[in-house]
Amino acid sequence: EPEVTQTPSHQVTQMGQEVILRCVPISNHLYFYWYRQILGQKVEFLVSFYNNEISEKSEIFDDQFSVERPDGSNFTLKIRSTKLEDSAMYFCASRTTGRRGEQYFGPGTRLTVT
Amino acid sequence: GEDVEQSLFLSVREGDSSVINCTYTDSSSTYLYWYKQEPGAGLQLLTYIFSNMDMKQDQRLTVLLNKKDKHLSLRIADTQTGDSAIYFCAERSGSARQLTFGSGTQLTVLP
Repeated sequence: EPEVTQTPSHQVTQMGQEVILRCVPISNHLYFYWYRQILGQKVEFLVSFYNNEISEKSEIFDDQFSVERPDGSNFTLKIRSTKLEDSAMYFCASRTTGRRGEQYFGPGTRLTVT
Repeated sequence: GEDVEQSLFLSVREGDSSVINCTYTDSSSTYLYWYKQEPGAGLQLLTYIFSNMDMKQDQRLTVLLNKKDKHLSLRIADTQTGDSAIYFCAERSGSARQLTFGSGTQLTVLP
């Protein structure tokens, strides 16, 4: 069964450093998403991406964040200068077109900023 | 904005039924979802319901939707120890059809 994959599973970085989180969505999906879950809190929407551009973003997704689809398979989230409060689990999701369009999530990348 | 609320904890005995409840605020929600998260794992889509339905059954899972009260529930029949996990309710909203999640209900199944 096709699935969304994410690498790395755990990333530790120092405050101020740049990180890139990688995702490989399901191959025939056209809509891609990033969500994050701070420990003990809700899963929160960050950004959606369709047709090589951001279609919607939340207030959390400020200028420190960017997304890219560098090739036909990868979808990345970059945080330019990490802060302690960026420590969270980051989930990538993808969906097909169509009315139902269920979102399928990857296993997540745990980002720890020290 | 949209908000989704769930109770945080539920304990049941193995073999009993579990009922996890959720309330949401966005009356324009078209689809509502249940996801399961096991320790250290991602979010697994369990089931969904379209807003013009009252009920959906899928094997041991039954979803009930009361659109008037904006109340959604997930019933798991014959709950097993492998069902122990966090269960998230989510509503689909926004132009990009992003999901708004509840805080999750930790289901503990006791032997």
